[in-house]
Amino acid sequence: GDSVTQMEGPVTLSEEAFLTINCTYTATGYPSLFWYVQYPGEGLQLLLKATKADDKGSNKGFEATYRKETTSFHLEKGSVQVSDSAVYFCALSDGQYFGNEKLTFGTGTRLTIIP
Amino acid sequence: DAGVIQSPRHEVTEMGQEVTLRCKPISGHDYLFWYRQTMMRGLELLIYFNNNVPIDDSGMPEDRFSAKMPNASFSTLKIQPSEPRDSAVYFCASAGSNQPQHFGDGTRLSIL
Repeated sequence: GDSVTQMEGPVTLSEEAFLTINCTYTATGYPSLFWYVQYPGEGLQLLLKATKADDKGSNKGFEATYRKETTSFHLEKGSVQVSDSAVYFCALSDGQYFGNEKLTFGTGTRLTIIP
Repeated sequence: DAGVIQSPRHEVTEMGQEVTLRCKPISGHDYLFWYRQTMMRGLELLIYFNNNVPIDDSGMPEDRFSAKMPNASFSTLKIQPSEPRDSAVYFCASAGSNQPQHFGDGTRLSIL
């Protein structure tokens, strides 16, 4: 079945550091890929998405590129802020749509940014 | 716009009691999802509906769990009888066609 593997956390960085959170997936067909973010006490929010190979999703300074050859969708940000502290989830949808079908989530990576 | 609304936000009850969690999806969305989040198992999909019809309930842990969607604006997740291992945060999410899922803020459930 489909699965998502995320880098183990927690991750602690200083403000303005470069961030990478690794995500790889296993799926049949051509899944859509997503990053969701969860702030304390809240539900998950969609951060960015990519629906086909070589697409780059971007939002709020975060980027991730859908790499079919390496089955990866790593999340990056050039300069993190304290407000980026949250739990980040990589996910895939086995449909061609935008996540209104069944999503498979990774285990989440907790990110803490120190001033 | 109002987002997905879940109630209650917190629930503490004793083992054996019936628990009912409620969800109001975003108006116009025709998909509704129930998830459970725990430290041990992460985020698990329990069940999802399309146009009020259950499509996949393979994630429902056992017969003590049931979910209904009597109309497009309301869904419930019921646990009867509840057990301490059901303690978790339960999320509801909704989505429209070709739209990503929008999550509620969750219900934190503690079974003593």
